[in-house]
Amino acid sequence: DAKTTQPTSMDCAEGRAANLPCNHSTISGNEYVYWYRQIHSQGPQYIIHGLKNNETNEMASLIITEDRKSSTLILPHATLRDTAVYYCIVRVAVSSNQFYFGTGTSLTVIP
Amino acid sequence: DSGVTQTPKHLITATGQRVTLRCSPRSGDLSVYWYQQSLDQGLQFLIQYYNGEERAKGNILERFSAQQFPDLHSELNLSSLELGDSALYFCASSVDRRGSYNEQFFGPGTRLTVL
Repeated sequence: DAKTTQPTSMDCAEGRAANLPCNHSTISGNEYVYWYRQIHSQGPQYIIHGLKNNETNEMASLIITEDRKSSTLILPHATLRDTAVYYCIVRVAVSSNQFYFGTGTSLTVIP
Repeated sequence: DSGVTQTPKHLITATGQRVTLRCSPRSGDLSVYWYQQSLDQGLQFLIQYYNGEERAKGNILERFSAQQFPDLHSELNLSSLELGDSALYFCASSVDRRGSYNEQFFGPGTRLTVL
């Protein structure tokens, strides 16, 4: 699975959009981008995933660049409850193997 | 609520002891994964079971073992416990059918403290 690079930490004002970047320059054609988050000491929570098209669900939007070497997770209106560590993971979708969680980005939403 | 349950929530024991952590996957999920999260490390994959059989191994110590039962629940056995085994242990499950997205759903975790 391709390696990802994320900033260690970010701040975002409550009510504003939080944009979390992820670089995955070695991604291969059949690898998807997954995003999970972990709120303090809770189990990681699935957010969204995509292959090459932008995706949106009730939680977030995922923007993947045309060359697929980077992506951005967007939380449109961040709330205090969005404070968490966000993990960007790249893997083959139909793989039954484990997710490799890196260090992620610690997002702090500020009142 | 992910639908994955783990028991117990907290476990305090002494060095040298043995404990068993239990996980019930979401209804219909065939795969169970175990992860360890220590304070100084991220989430580390330990082992995966699929429909009762071991499918993948990660950084699992020889003192640790797991199994998945016919009803698909899984147990993680930790023996000869050391102080460094203190951590959060998460279980995750996924459908794991070909063609599906295979996102994993995580349980709330078991916090193990070894004194």
